[in-house]
Amino acid sequence: KQEVTQIPAALSVPEGENLVLNCSFTDSAIYNLQWFRQDPGKGLTSLLLIQSSQREQTSGRLNASLDKSSGRSTLYIAASQPGDSATYLCAVSSRGKLIFGQGTELSVKP
Amino acid sequence: EPEVTQTPSHQVTQMGQEVILRCVPISNHLYFYWYRQILGQKVEFLVSFYNNEISEKSEIFDDQFSVERPDGSNFTLKIRSTKLEDSAMYFCASRTKRGGLAGDYEQYFGPGTRLTVT
Repeated sequence: KQEVTQIPAALSVPEGENLVLNCSFTDSAIYNLQWFRQDPGKGLTSLLLIQSSQREQTSGRLNASLDKSSGRSTLYIAASQPGDSATYLCAVSSRGKLIFGQGTELSVKP
Repeated sequence: EPEVTQTPSHQVTQMGQEVILRCVPISNHLYFYWYRQILGQKVEFLVSFYNNEISEKSEIFDDQFSVERPDGSNFTLKIRSTKLEDSAMYFCASRTKRGGLAGDYEQYFGPGTRLTVT
């Protein structure tokens, strides 16, 4: 059974810092991996999708990497801003459905 | 930009009542999903729907739950007799057709319906 874990559970950084969020999964037989942002009480905003054949994807200040063989993905956020404060979720696609981690709650202090 | 919409944004109901949560997926999408998130917990898969039938469902999706695509645009989740533990945020998602060797496509989520069962 696929399990997705995210470390750390919470992270607080000063504005401008570069940071890395980690995601691990137990079964490497995935189709793709998605990173989402969730603001308190709100829906899920897709940030990046990495296909199983890809190693990384970039969008603006965000870069996500995927190492299927080791069951790991990282989300790198460059030059963090207070507006980046949110919970970041990773999810792996297994036969269509998404299986989510519990998220990393990020707080960027001005 | 096309988006998934959900109504209502918040639904309060009494235990034992039936509720219907509504979703309008992105128009050219073919796969539809329901997920839920109990406060403070992970987002959990409930059911996937393709070609007018359920393609997969989780253990959570028991006989109290049903899904329907009554017309070409709406996708609904019905809970027949709500329980206190059904209180959660319910998310609808959709995606395009399977991409073959390239794998599945990105899932797009709606803003959610917060269901409160009293």
